[in-house]
Amino acid sequence: AQKVTQAQTEISVVEKEDVTLDCVYETRDTTYYLFWYKQPPSGELVFLIRRNSFDEQNEISGRYSWNFQKSTSSFNFTITASQVVDSAVYFCALRGGGSQGNLIFGKGTKLSVKP
Amino acid sequence: GAVVSQHPSRVICKSGTSVKIECRSLDFQATTMFWYRQFPKQSLMLMATSNEGSKATYEQGVEKDKFLINHASLTLSTLTVTSAHPEDSSFYICSARSGGIETQYFGPGTRLLVL
Repeated sequence: AQKVTQAQTEISVVEKEDVTLDCVYETRDTTYYLFWYKQPPSGELVFLIRRNSFDEQNEISGRYSWNFQKSTSSFNFTITASQVVDSAVYFCALRGGGSQGNLIFGKGTKLSVKP
Repeated sequence: GAVVSQHPSRVICKSGTSVKIECRSLDFQATTMFWYRQFPKQSLMLMATSNEGSKATYEQGVEKDKFLINHASLTLSTLTVTSAHPEDSSFYICSARSGGIETQYFGPGTRLLVL
């Protein structure tokens, strides 16, 4: 069975603080894909990143960085110098290999960045 | 990233009426489209998956006669909520991808309120 766990339900930080959102996944597939999506109050899910299981290189995009560790089945997301506009619900998702795989979502982490 | 649109963004209807929601991929051909439902403060729940030109595959517990899905072209899928009731009030989100291993992009969602 496939599963995504986001243990942090809500996180509140003050602007300019760094914050890490945790994501732990379970899958028996050898090939799989991991995603992070951002859902601001407007409701639309915004794609942030996709990582393939065979590529463990960490990625940095501006203030965002992702740490993929297959050994611990984790795909954590860090926001550096957080801003109020980062306030949103963040979802981690897993998709197994194969053309018919569907996204399995975690329950999401609500991030509130206060000025 | 690719763009997915949804229409309408918000709809209020009387109990017993049917509501149609359109989902369009604007700049790519979506071989597969997905319909999700999201209750307040919860994660996304997959309702059904549809491939262009074939019948939708519904998740367990989702009534196919109540939630009619049509994926008539590579850029358009529709979800019709038939004989809507107040318990159908929710946030409905569509998603599309262009190929078997491609990233899923999400529409902005439709808020349905059934009175």
